[in-house]
Amino acid sequence: AQSVSQHNHHVILSEAASLELGCNYSYGGTVNLFWYVQYPGQHLQLLLKYFSGDPLVKGIKGFEAEFIKSKFSFNLRKPSVQWSDTAEYFCAVKFSGGYNKLIFGAGTRLAVHP
Amino acid sequence: DAGVIQSPRHEVTEMGQEVTLRCKPISGHNSLFWYRQTMMRGLELLIYFNNNVPIDDSGMPEDRFSAKMPNASFSTLKIQPSEPRDSAVYFCATTGSSTDTQYFGPGTRLTVL
Repeated sequence: AQSVSQHNHHVILSEAASLELGCNYSYGGTVNLFWYVQYPGQHLQLLLKYFSGDPLVKGIKGFEAEFIKSKFSFNLRKPSVQWSDTAEYFCAVKFSGGYNKLIFGAGTRLAVHP
Repeated sequence: DAGVIQSPRHEVTEMGQEVTLRCKPISGHNSLFWYRQTMMRGLELLIYFNNNVPIDDSGMPEDRFSAKMPNASFSTLKIQPSEPRDSAVYFCATTGSSTDTQYFGPGTRLTVL
């Protein structure tokens, strides 16, 4: 079955710490990969996406993600987090076929302390 | 572009009442998704449409839930009768044939008393 796993459900960091959130998916075919962010009380917004090309993708607000096909992973990183990065982060995958349906991970709640 | 528009933004109703949530997709987008988000269950896909046709409604929790997309610019999600456990934030998201990126609306926060 197609699935997306986010291993960290809750992450607590201090400002300026580095961040890495894990995301793995179950399928070995062609995929499109996404990270969405949901700030408290708001809707999901696109952070970055990977369709093809350079496996290191840069997104908004200093975030980046690396697609490692051999590991079926698409981990999100940020070298130095800020208090304003406190949010929930969702990894999502579009597997080949299936119209434009995305399979979402369970989300990771990040709390950044000043 | 105004983005995905959802109404109402907040809805408070009593158990047993009918609730209708509305979504207007981004112009030109031909796929529309309804999600439900709760603390306990996270983000759940309820149903999605492609070119106004329901493709997969396996996520609809029970017969009390129904969704329609009568045209390319409007969709509704109806709950009849509503129950307290339906309290959640309901998101609509849309995407177009030229992109796989889903754009989310602001959501409707439903509270059933």
